[in-house]
Amino acid sequence: EPEVTQTPSHQVTQMGQEVILRCVPISNHLYFYWYRQILGQKVEFLVSFYNNEISEKSEIFDDQFSVERPDGSNFTLKIRSTKLEDSAMYFCASSQGLGHTIYFGEGSWLTVV
Amino acid sequence: GENVEQHPSTLSVQEGDSAVIKCTYSDSASNYFPWYKQELGKRPQLIIDIRSNVGEKKDQRIAVTLNKTAKHFSLHITETQPEDSAVYFCAASNSGGGADGLTFGKGTHLIIQP
Repeated sequence: EPEVTQTPSHQVTQMGQEVILRCVPISNHLYFYWYRQILGQKVEFLVSFYNNEISEKSEIFDDQFSVERPDGSNFTLKIRSTKLEDSAMYFCASSQGLGHTIYFGEGSWLTVV
Repeated sequence: GENVEQHPSTLSVQEGDSAVIKCTYSDSASNYFPWYKQELGKRPQLIIDIRSNVGEKKDQRIAVTLNKTAKHFSLHITETQPEDSAVYFCAASNSGGGADGLTFGKGTHLIIQP
């Protein structure tokens, strides 16, 4: 069964450093998402991406965040200057279209020290 | 924006009994309501979903009901088994109003007592 894959599975970074989290969505999917889950809390929507542009973003997704689809398969989340409170599990997700099932990757656990 | 409330935060039931988790949502435009199961350290996995044109959906031991008027939806698990132990999240989105980012509830930690 096709899966959303993410790398790295775990990254530790110094506060103020830039981080790029990578995702390969399911190949025939058109909508891509990033979600965040702080330890022990709910999953929070960050951003959705369709047709090479951001479709929707939450209040969490401020100017320090950006997303990109640099080629036909990868979808990346960049955090420009990490803060301690950015420590969380970041999930990439994808779906075939609006109202279709959203499939999550295994997550990238980011620890900012 | 959408706000999803989920109750209870923790639910402990005896193996074989039923479990019910309830969620309410605020945005009457929401039309898609999935339920995800998340085991410790793992990804959320879809277990069942329902759209606003349907009042109830069942898949083996799992069922979901939706009351659009009251803006609430519930997950029902019958004949619970130890492997049902996990955190369950409800979510809501408006798939017709944009790119349907899901708004999640805070989760219910379901514990199945042997």
